Amino acid sequence: KQEVTQIPAALSVPEGENLVLNCSFTDSAIYNLQWFRQDPGKGLTSLLLIQSSQREQTSGRLNASLDKSSGRSTLYIAASQPGDSATYLCAVIPASGAAGNKLTFGGGTRVLVKP
Amino acid sequence: EPEVTQTPSHQVTQMGQEVILRCVPISNHLYFYWYRQILGQKVEFLVSFYNNEISEKSEIFDDQFSVERPDGSNFTLKIRSTKLEDSAMYFCASLVVVLPAYEQYFGPGTRLTVT
Repeated sequence: KQEVTQIPAALSVPEGENLVLNCSFTDSAIYNLQWFRQDPGKGLTSLLLIQSSQREQTSGRLNASLDKSSGRSTLYIAASQPGDSATYLCAVIPASGAAGNKLTFGGGTRVLVKP
Repeated sequence: EPEVTQTPSHQVTQMGQEVILRCVPISNHLYFYWYRQILGQKVEFLVSFYNNEISEKSEIFDDQFSVERPDGSNFTLKIRSTKLEDSAMYFCASLVVVLPAYEQYFGPGTRLTVT
């Protein structure tokens, strides 16, 4: 059974610092890994999707890496801003029958960027 | 940009009552999902749906739950007799297959409060 873990559960940084968020998964047979942002009481906004054949994916200040063999992904957010304060979730989809299959989520890292 | 919509945004119901949560997936998507998030816990998969039938369901998705696509646009989750522990945020998602990627898009959620 796939387990996804995110450590730390919470992180506080001053504005301008780079953020490093970690995600680990127990079963390396994944098809995709997605990073999401969740604001308090709100829905899930997809930030980046990395296919299992990719090593990294970039969008603006966000960069996500994937090391499938070691079961790890890292989300980097450069030059953090107070508006980056949110909970960041990672989720994986299994390699078999990927379209009908579920995303398995980590517990999230709650980020606070202090001005 | 097309998005997944959900209604209502918040539903309060009494224990034992039936509730129907509604979702309008993105129009050209073919796979649909329900997830839930109990306050402070991980996002959990409930059910996936394709071609008018359930593809996969979790052990949470017992006989109290059902899903339906009553017309070409809506996708509903029904809870027949709500329990206190059904209080959660319920997210609908739909999936686009743009090979080789499978990306799920989430709605804003319905907060269900069972009293």
